[in-house]
This record gives sequence, structure tokens and C-alpha cells, in this order.
Amino acid sequence: AQSVSQHNHHVILSEAASLELGCNYSYGGTVNLFWYVQYPGQHLQLLLKYFSGDPLVKGIKGFEAEFIKSKFSFNLRKPSVQWSDTAEYFCAVSSGGSYIPTFGRGTSLIVHP
Amino acid sequence: SQTIHQWPATLVQPVGSPLSLECTVEGTSNPNLYWYRQAAGRGLQLLFYSVGIGQISSEVPQNLSASRPQDRQFILSSKKLLLSDSGFYLCARDDGANVLTFGAGSRLTVL
Repeated sequence: AQSVSQHNHHVILSEAASLELGCNYSYGGTVNLFWYVQYPGQHLQLLLKYFSGDPLVKGIKGFEAEFIKSKFSFNLRKPSVQWSDTAEYFCAVSSGGSYIPTFGRGTSLIVHP
Repeated sequence: SQTIHQWPATLVQPVGSPLSLECTVEGTSNPNLYWYRQAAGRGLQLLFYSVGIGQISSEVPQNLSASRPQDRQFILSSKKLLLSDSGFYLCARDDGANVLTFGAGSRLTVL
């Protein structure tokens, strides 16, 4: 079965700091990769996705993620975080054998102003 | 519109009582629908998914069940709640290419 690991469970940063959240998955074949975000009091929503093509994908609010197939990774990055980025971030993967996304445990990000 | 409605938003139930959480979706017909549970520090756990009316697949054996009586209605139920059923329950639909849209969720506390 597919598994998704998010190694950073809690991250605390100051505004303008750079962010990188790790995500690793276990499936070795074709995958679709996602990052979702849940802002306080809001619905879980899609931040960005990768299906194919350029392994560096850009999402909303200045976020980007890089798919590194050899490392089974899809890390999320942002060069300079803002207080409004405080949220919980989930990595998800769906593989060729199953269209159902498997989610990681999530990373809680707190950005201090 | 791909709106998803979930109710109730919050629920406090005693151990051993029944449960019914409802989810209705708008938009295109015959969507794939999902129930996930979000527990603190444990991420999103897939409970059930449905590819059509009356078609339910269970991912985790437990005392919960799901039903899909209508194309756009997905219900999560239990005959007797356990303390461990407490959590935040999310209904989601697949909007294509495995991209999910989530509802606002139902927070269940079992006492």
C-alpha cells in the first residue's frame, strides 16, 4: 500500500524566513502528487499539484514544490513566509494503481509576525 | 459550483449512541465521493469511498459504515459510537484527476 511521510510535524518560523516542508512517498511507479493547505477555520484546499512535465510546480501564494523521482520526494517550498501562511499542510499522493489520494500526517506551520 | 455541504458541523454524543453525518455535493453527476477522518497528529485517514449510488468501499475495519442513497448524498453512520470515534470528519469529492474538494467538516466528540 502507498504511504506518505511528512517528517516535519510542527514548524515555527518568523516572517520572511524560508520554508521547506518534506514529503516522501513509497510507490515506485507513476504518481500524482499534491499539497493541500488548511488555514485556521477554513476548508482544506488544494495548494498545488504535479501530474507530469516540469518537476518544479508553482501553486498559489508563492508556494512551489519539486518532484524528485529518484528520491521519491515532493517537498514544498516558499522563499519568504508571511504570517498569513500559518496553517496545516498536507502532502498527498495517488498512484497509477489507485486513484485514491493517500495523505501524510500533516505539518503544522506557525509564522510569527 | 463544486460546493459540498456537511452537517451537523459539530456534534457531542455519548458512548454507545448512534451517529449519522450527512454530506451532499453540488456539481456534475456521479462524482467519486470520500469520507476521511482527521485526528490530531494523524493526518487524514480514508474511511470510505464511493464511485456511484449504492457502491461503497471500506478502507478501515471499524464500527462505522457509509451509504450513498442518492447520486449526490453520502452518509456516514454508526450504530454504537466508541470514544475512539471522536474526530473531525471530512467529506470530499473528486473533481477530476484525483484533485479533491473538501467540505467544511463535522467535528464529533464522543463522551
